[in-house]
Amino acid sequence: EPEVTQTPSHQVTQMGQEVILRCVPISNHLYFYWYRQILGQKVEFLVSFYNNEISEKSEIFDDQFSVERPDGSNFTLKIRSTKLEDSAMYFCASNNRLNYGYTFGSGTRLTVV
Amino acid sequence: DQQVKQNSPSLSVQEGRISILNCDYTNSMFDYFLWYKKYPAEGPTFLISISSIKDKNEDGRFTVFLNKSAKHLSLHIVPSQPGDSAVYFCAASVTGNQFYFGTGTSLTVIP
Repeated sequence: EPEVTQTPSHQVTQMGQEVILRCVPISNHLYFYWYRQILGQKVEFLVSFYNNEISEKSEIFDDQFSVERPDGSNFTLKIRSTKLEDSAMYFCASNNRLNYGYTFGSGTRLTVV
Repeated sequence: DQQVKQNSPSLSVQEGRISILNCDYTNSMFDYFLWYKKYPAEGPTFLISISSIKDKNEDGRFTVFLNKSAKHLSLHIVPSQPGDSAVYFCAASVTGNQFYFGTGTSLTVIP
């Protein structure tokens, strides 16, 4: 069964550093997403991406965040200057919009120290 | 953000019986609803969806019911199996892009 692959599985970074979280969506999917889940809290939408541009973003997705699909297969989330409160599990997802059900990756646990 | 609520943090059911997971929402503009299940250390796995033009959708052992007037969504699993033990999330969206998730219900199916 096709999978969404996320790397790394766990990233530790110092406050103020830039991090890039990487994702390889399912190859024939057209819509790509980033969500995050802070420990003990809800899964929260960050951003959706279609046709090489952001289609929707939440209030969380401020100027410190950016997304890119650099080579037609990878989908990245960059946090320019990490804060302690960015510590969370970050999930990438993709779908082909047929039934709106995403396929999620296993997540990257980001720890900002 | 309290737009989607799952008021039961946990549920235990005997194997073979019906599991009923409930979800309430406040935004009447929600048009798309999803259920996911999640195992520890994995991403959520999509189970079933429903749009606001329908009140029921069935896929194998899983049936989702939507009561728009009550702003209530439920997932029925029949018969429940031990492998169904996981955390179940409902999610809702206006546009089909940004989904709002509930806090999850941990289902335990007892063999």
